[in-house]
Amino acid sequence: GAVVSQHPSWVICKSGTSVKIECRSLDFQATTMFWYRQFPKQSLMLMATSNEGSKATYEQGVEKDKFLINHASLTLSTLTVTSAHPEDSSFYICSARDLGWWGQRTSYEQYFGPGTRLTVT
Amino acid sequence: AQSVTQLDSQVPVFEEAPVELRCNYSSSVSVYLFWYVQYPNQGLQLLLKYLSGSTLVESINGFEAEFNKSQTSFHLRKPSVHISDTAEYFCAVSDSSYKLIFGSGTRLLVRP
Repeated sequence: GAVVSQHPSWVICKSGTSVKIECRSLDFQATTMFWYRQFPKQSLMLMATSNEGSKATYEQGVEKDKFLINHASLTLSTLTVTSAHPEDSSFYICSARDLGWWGQRTSYEQYFGPGTRLTVT
Repeated sequence: AQSVTQLDSQVPVFEEAPVELRCNYSSSVSVYLFWYVQYPNQGLQLLLKYLSGSTLVESINGFEAEFNKSQTSFHLRKPSVHISDTAEYFCAVSDSSYKLIFGSGTRLLVRP
Protein backbone atom coordinates (compact mmCIF):
# COMPACT_ATOMS: atom_id res chain seq x y z
CA GLY A 1 0.00 0.00 0.00
CA ALA A 2 0.81 3.73 -0.02
CA VAL A 3 2.03 3.85 -3.59
CA VAL A 4 2.66 7.10 -5.42
CA SER A 5 3.28 7.17 -9.14
CA GLN A 6 4.66 9.86 -11.40
CA HIS A 7 4.31 10.26 -15.12
CA PRO A 8 6.38 10.58 -17.14
CA SER A 9 9.48 9.10 -15.57
CA TRP A 10 11.65 11.14 -17.87
CA VAL A 11 11.05 13.80 -20.48
CA ILE A 12 13.14 15.81 -22.90
CA CYS A 13 11.72 19.03 -24.25
CA LYS A 14 12.87 22.01 -26.21
CA SER A 15 13.47 25.37 -24.63
CA GLY A 16 10.33 27.48 -24.54
CA THR A 17 7.87 24.62 -24.40
CA SER A 18 5.78 23.54 -21.41
CA VAL A 19 5.87 20.19 -19.68
CA LYS A 20 3.27 18.63 -17.41
CA ILE A 21 4.18 16.09 -14.73
CA GLU A 22 1.52 14.02 -13.01
CA CYS A 23 1.61 12.70 -9.46
CA ARG A 24 -0.95 10.12 -8.39
CA SER A 25 -1.65 8.37 -5.11
CA LEU A 26 -2.73 4.90 -6.21
CA ASP A 27 -4.23 3.32 -3.13
CA PHE A 28 -4.99 6.16 -0.75
CA GLN A 29 -6.42 9.63 -0.73
CA ALA A 30 -4.01 12.51 -0.37
CA THR A 31 -5.30 15.84 0.87
CA THR A 32 -1.81 17.22 0.54
CA MET A 33 0.89 16.63 -2.02
CA PHE A 34 4.33 18.13 -2.10
CA TRP A 35 6.60 18.91 -5.02
CA TYR A 36 10.37 18.79 -4.67
CA ARG A 37 13.25 19.55 -6.94
CA GLN A 38 16.58 17.80 -6.76
CA PHE A 39 19.73 18.84 -8.56
CA PRO A 40 22.44 16.25 -9.22
CA LYS A 41 24.09 15.04 -6.06
CA GLN A 42 22.10 17.48 -3.94
CA SER A 43 19.27 17.28 -1.49
CA LEU A 44 15.58 17.73 -2.14
CA MET A 45 14.28 21.25 -2.04
CA LEU A 46 10.59 21.76 -1.35
CA MET A 47 9.01 23.80 -4.11
CA ALA A 48 5.37 23.90 -3.10
CA THR A 49 2.63 22.34 -1.06
CA SER A 50 -0.47 21.35 -2.97
CA ASN A 51 -3.82 21.02 -1.23
CA GLU A 52 -6.81 19.46 -2.93
CA GLY A 53 -9.28 22.06 -4.12
CA SER A 54 -7.21 25.09 -3.21
CA LYS A 55 -4.24 27.06 -4.45
CA ALA A 56 -0.79 25.72 -3.89
CA THR A 57 1.53 27.31 -1.38
CA TYR A 58 4.92 28.04 -2.86
CA GLU A 59 8.20 28.22 -1.02
CA GLN A 60 10.19 31.40 -1.08
CA GLY A 61 12.04 31.89 -4.32
CA VAL A 62 9.86 29.56 -6.39
CA GLU A 63 8.12 31.28 -9.31
CA LYS A 64 4.40 30.61 -9.18
CA ASP A 65 3.84 31.49 -12.81
CA LYS A 66 6.60 29.21 -13.97
CA PHE A 67 5.69 26.17 -11.92
CA LEU A 68 1.93 25.76 -12.11
CA ILE A 69 0.43 23.29 -9.69
CA ASN A 70 -3.07 21.88 -9.85
CA HIS A 71 -4.51 19.49 -7.28
CA ALA A 72 -7.85 18.68 -8.82
CA SER A 73 -8.68 15.53 -6.89
CA LEU A 74 -7.63 13.60 -3.80
CA THR A 75 -5.45 11.34 -5.93
CA LEU A 76 -3.92 13.62 -8.54
CA SER A 77 -1.67 16.66 -8.55
CA THR A 78 0.07 18.08 -11.60
CA LEU A 79 3.12 20.27 -11.99
CA THR A 80 3.46 22.20 -15.22
CA VAL A 81 6.80 23.76 -16.03
CA THR A 82 5.93 26.62 -18.35
CA SER A 83 8.30 28.03 -20.94
CA ALA A 84 11.00 25.67 -19.83
CA HIS A 85 14.66 26.61 -20.09
CA PRO A 86 17.81 24.54 -19.66
CA GLU A 87 18.20 25.74 -16.08
CA ASP A 88 14.88 24.04 -15.29
CA SER A 89 16.46 20.70 -16.04
CA SER A 90 16.27 18.71 -12.84
CA PHE A 91 14.79 15.71 -11.08
CA TYR A 92 11.28 16.50 -9.87
CA ILE A 93 9.82 14.38 -7.09
CA CYS A 94 6.36 14.48 -5.62
CA SER A 95 5.10 13.09 -2.36
CA ALA A 96 1.67 12.58 -0.90
CA ARG A 97 0.40 12.68 2.65
CA ASP A 98 -2.25 10.21 3.66
CA LEU A 99 -5.65 11.56 4.63
CA GLY A 100 -5.28 10.27 8.13
CA TRP A 101 -4.18 7.50 10.37
CA TRP A 102 -4.78 4.14 8.79
CA GLY A 103 -3.13 1.01 10.11
CA GLN A 104 0.58 1.66 10.23
CA ARG A 105 0.37 4.86 8.25
CA THR A 106 0.14 8.19 9.96
CA SER A 107 -0.61 11.60 8.69
CA TYR A 108 2.96 12.71 9.35
CA GLU A 109 4.42 10.40 6.79
CA GLN A 110 4.91 11.31 3.17
CA TYR A 111 5.04 8.74 0.41
CA PHE A 112 7.29 9.59 -2.47
CA GLY A 113 6.90 9.06 -6.16
CA PRO A 114 9.76 7.64 -8.25
CA GLY A 115 10.61 11.05 -9.70
CA THR A 116 10.61 12.64 -13.15
CA ARG A 117 13.81 13.63 -14.85
CA LEU A 118 13.32 16.72 -16.98
CA THR A 119 15.93 17.69 -19.55
CA VAL A 120 15.42 20.95 -21.44
CA THR A 121 17.52 21.34 -24.57
CA ALA B 1 13.05 27.64 11.62
CA GLN B 2 13.98 24.02 11.37
CA SER B 3 17.15 22.72 9.83
CA VAL B 4 18.95 19.43 9.40
CA THR B 5 22.69 18.92 9.24
CA GLN B 6 24.35 15.86 7.81
CA LEU B 7 28.02 16.54 8.26
CA ASP B 8 29.30 13.63 6.21
CA SER B 9 28.75 13.97 2.47
CA GLN B 10 30.19 10.53 1.84
CA VAL B 11 30.95 7.56 4.07
CA PRO B 12 33.05 4.75 2.60
CA VAL B 13 32.97 1.49 4.48
CA PHE B 14 33.91 -2.11 3.84
CA GLU B 15 31.26 -4.78 3.57
CA GLU B 16 30.20 -6.31 6.89
CA ALA B 17 31.64 -3.38 8.83
CA PRO B 18 29.45 -1.23 11.09
CA VAL B 19 28.43 2.23 9.99
CA GLU B 20 26.97 5.37 11.52
CA LEU B 21 25.49 8.21 9.50
CA ARG B 22 25.17 11.37 11.52
CA CYS B 23 22.20 13.68 11.63
CA ASN B 24 21.64 16.72 13.79
CA TYR B 25 18.62 18.95 13.72
CA SER B 26 17.53 22.27 15.12
CA SER B 27 13.97 23.13 15.98
CA SER B 28 12.12 25.11 18.57
CA VAL B 29 9.11 22.81 18.57
CA SER B 30 8.38 19.13 18.83
CA VAL B 31 9.66 17.33 15.80
CA TYR B 32 9.21 14.16 13.88
CA LEU B 33 12.35 12.65 12.41
CA PHE B 34 12.86 10.46 9.38
CA TRP B 35 15.56 8.68 7.46
CA TYR B 36 15.01 8.12 3.74
CA VAL B 37 17.13 6.15 1.29
CA GLN B 38 17.49 6.96 -2.38
CA TYR B 39 18.92 4.61 -4.97
CA PRO B 40 20.22 6.07 -8.26
CA ASN B 41 17.54 7.67 -10.41
CA GLN B 42 14.81 6.69 -8.02
CA GLY B 43 12.55 8.42 -5.57
CA LEU B 44 12.88 8.24 -1.82
CA GLN B 45 12.00 5.26 0.32
CA LEU B 46 11.25 5.63 4.00
CA LEU B 47 13.79 3.75 6.06
CA LEU B 48 12.55 4.57 9.55
CA LYS B 49 10.86 7.27 11.54
CA TYR B 50 10.54 8.67 15.02
CA LEU B 51 7.18 10.17 15.93
CA SER B 52 6.94 9.51 19.65
CA GLY B 53 7.51 6.81 22.22
CA SER B 54 10.67 4.73 22.26
CA THR B 55 13.69 6.74 21.21
CA LEU B 56 15.24 3.76 19.44
CA VAL B 57 13.59 2.91 16.15
CA GLU B 58 14.45 0.07 13.84
CA SER B 59 13.92 -0.78 10.21
CA ILE B 60 13.25 -4.19 8.73
CA ASN B 61 16.64 -4.34 7.00
CA GLY B 62 18.86 -3.93 10.04
CA PHE B 63 19.16 -0.17 10.33
CA GLU B 64 18.34 1.62 13.54
CA ALA B 65 18.33 5.22 14.71
CA GLU B 66 18.16 6.77 18.12
CA PHE B 67 16.45 10.03 18.90
CA ASN B 68 18.53 12.02 21.35
CA LYS B 69 16.72 15.15 22.39
CA SER B 70 19.51 16.59 24.52
CA GLN B 71 21.99 16.31 21.66
CA THR B 72 19.37 17.06 18.99
CA SER B 73 20.57 14.07 17.02
CA PHE B 74 19.05 11.19 15.11
CA HIS B 75 22.03 9.14 13.94
CA LEU B 76 21.51 6.14 11.72
CA ARG B 77 23.42 2.93 12.44
CA LYS B 78 23.84 -0.54 11.05
CA PRO B 79 26.07 -3.16 12.67
CA SER B 80 27.01 -4.88 9.41
CA VAL B 81 26.51 -3.34 5.97
CA HIS B 82 26.03 -5.04 2.62
CA ILE B 83 27.01 -3.97 -0.87
CA SER B 84 23.31 -3.41 -1.56
CA ASP B 85 23.21 -0.71 1.13
CA THR B 86 25.16 1.60 -1.17
CA ALA B 87 22.85 4.57 -1.68
CA GLU B 88 22.17 8.14 -0.68
CA TYR B 89 20.66 8.58 2.76
CA PHE B 90 18.67 11.63 3.76
CA CYS B 91 17.70 12.69 7.24
CA ALA B 92 14.57 14.84 7.47
CA VAL B 93 12.62 16.70 10.11
CA SER B 94 8.98 17.66 10.16
CA ASP B 95 6.63 19.38 12.53
CA SER B 96 2.87 19.77 12.63
CA SER B 97 2.96 21.62 9.32
CA TYR B 98 3.84 18.28 7.66
CA LYS B 99 6.59 19.89 5.61
CA LEU B 100 9.76 17.86 5.38
CA ILE B 101 13.07 19.62 5.68
CA PHE B 102 15.89 17.50 4.34
CA GLY B 103 19.55 17.36 5.18
CA SER B 104 22.11 17.53 2.41
CA GLY B 105 22.40 13.77 2.26
CA THR B 106 25.15 11.24 2.93
CA ARG B 107 26.36 8.86 0.29
CA LEU B 108 27.09 5.47 1.80
CA LEU B 109 29.60 3.61 -0.32
CA VAL B 110 30.06 -0.02 0.66
CA ARG B 111 33.18 -1.65 -0.72
CA PRO B 112 33.83 -5.39 -1.02
